[in-house]
Amino acid sequence: EIVLTQSPGTLSLSPGERATLSCRASQSVSSSYLAWYQQKPGQAPRLLIYGASSRATGIPDRFSGSGSGTDFTLTISRLEPEDFAVYYCQQYGSSPLYSFGQGTKLEIK
Amino acid sequence: EVQLVETGGGLIQPGGSLRLSCAASGFSVSSNYMSWVRQAPGKGLEWVSIIYSGGSTYYGDSVKGRFSISRDNSKNTLYLQMNSLRAEDTAVYYCARHGSYIWYFDLWGRGTLVTVSS
Repeated sequence: EIVLTQSPGTLSLSPGERATLSCRASQSVSSSYLAWYQQKPGQAPRLLIYGASSRATGIPDRFSGSGSGTDFTLTISRLEPEDFAVYYCQQYGSSPLYSFGQGTKLEIK
Repeated sequence: EVQLVETGGGLIQPGGSLRLSCAASGFSVSSNYMSWVRQAPGKGLEWVSIIYSGGSTYYGDSVKGRFSISRDNSKNTLYLQMNSLRAEDTAVYYCARHGSYIWYFDLWGRGTLVTVSS
């Protein structure tokens, strides 16, 4: 079973700053199989990044993903007020077929 | 408009059964891989089950043998039959469409809350 560990648990930043969120896997993950989601309170998750670095439709270019193997990163280049939310990484693999990290809460400082 | 709308949640006693529905619009459920993902109150996301376009089904270990995923192509609707419910099944249940590739979820519904409590 592949376990995804996200860090930090909470990130406090101000609008305009750069955010760097980490997702570490307990075993190597194919880059194709790594995705990132954003979830705001009371809302469903929204796909941001798939294949580790490809932006989903309609996602602003301030969001970018990178990484390979066991270490992946979501970067938000300049934070907008609407970016403050919880972010999850997710991988596809063997049992379980899909697993998520525990989430990083991005809050306004 | 392309969307998913879940219904069927509610309060149910431990050991009871409940069936969730997810009505799709703007695309065909039968032509896509579709999953259920849940989120316990204040917790993270947990994948529950998937149905392939070809009809094969798979389940997470925590629900295997108790939950069953299915679809009605004529109604363009996805279902989750939940039996032998436990307190730890309490969560918001989301249906989700898989994207062009099976390894991610590109469209989510707003979810329906299931509360298992006596």
